[in-house]
Amino acid sequence: QVQLKETGPGLVQPTQTLSITCTVSGFSLTSYYMQWVRQTPGKGLEWMGFIRSGGSTEYNSEFKSRLSISRDTSKNQVFLKMNSLKTEDTGVYYCARRGVAPFDYWGQGVMVTVSS
Amino acid sequence: NTVMTQSPTSMFISVGDRVTMNCKASQNVGTNVDWYQQKTGQSPKLLIYGASNRYTGVPDRFTGSGSGTDFTLTISNMQAEDLAVYYCLQYNYNPWTFGGGTKLELK
Repeated sequence: QVQLKETGPGLVQPTQTLSITCTVSGFSLTSYYMQWVRQTPGKGLEWMGFIRSGGSTEYNSEFKSRLSISRDTSKNQVFLKMNSLKTEDTGVYYCARRGVAPFDYWGQGVMVTVSS
Repeated sequence: NTVMTQSPTSMFISVGDRVTMNCKASQNVGTNVDWYQQKTGQSPKLLIYGASNRYTGVPDRFTGSGSGTDFTLTISNMQAEDLAVYYCLQYNYNPWTFGGGTKLELK
């Protein structure tokens, strides 16, 4: 059974770095791309980037300068790190698997509030 | 960036209605379009991939069509559990982009 679950800090101060972990089960990270998507009040759903099954990454240029996606295959975990947070980064962050479609399985999402 | 414009932004419907919603791409994206359903408080769920392929377990009342710049999602015989926001996504060009959504509400 495929499962994805995001865990993160909930509240982050402006200018700080956001770190979110996506823990997966039911499949191997070496067989599938893993994606990050966020949903904000201002811009709706936004694709952020992905890490390929081989470990290389691709990012949305809007985030490229401050976003990093990595993984630990031994722990079945994918990581998102984004620095220089702004209040506009407040929203729900999702990890998702790319299978038959870009996002065939989604995590439940983690709410992140950027506020001092 | 490729802009995906969905219309209408909301629809008031009745159970049993046939519902049609549209998604227009600002450039040719071939058939690299998916449709996702998001119910309140939930993550999006895949309905249609590759413009017209129904995902596993999706009821056959959901049909996707289109290619190039114009895409349609049709729900025949609308059910109460279909009340949600529907999003299109293009993945032909980086950055992949979502539409703004069509919200289905009961009359």
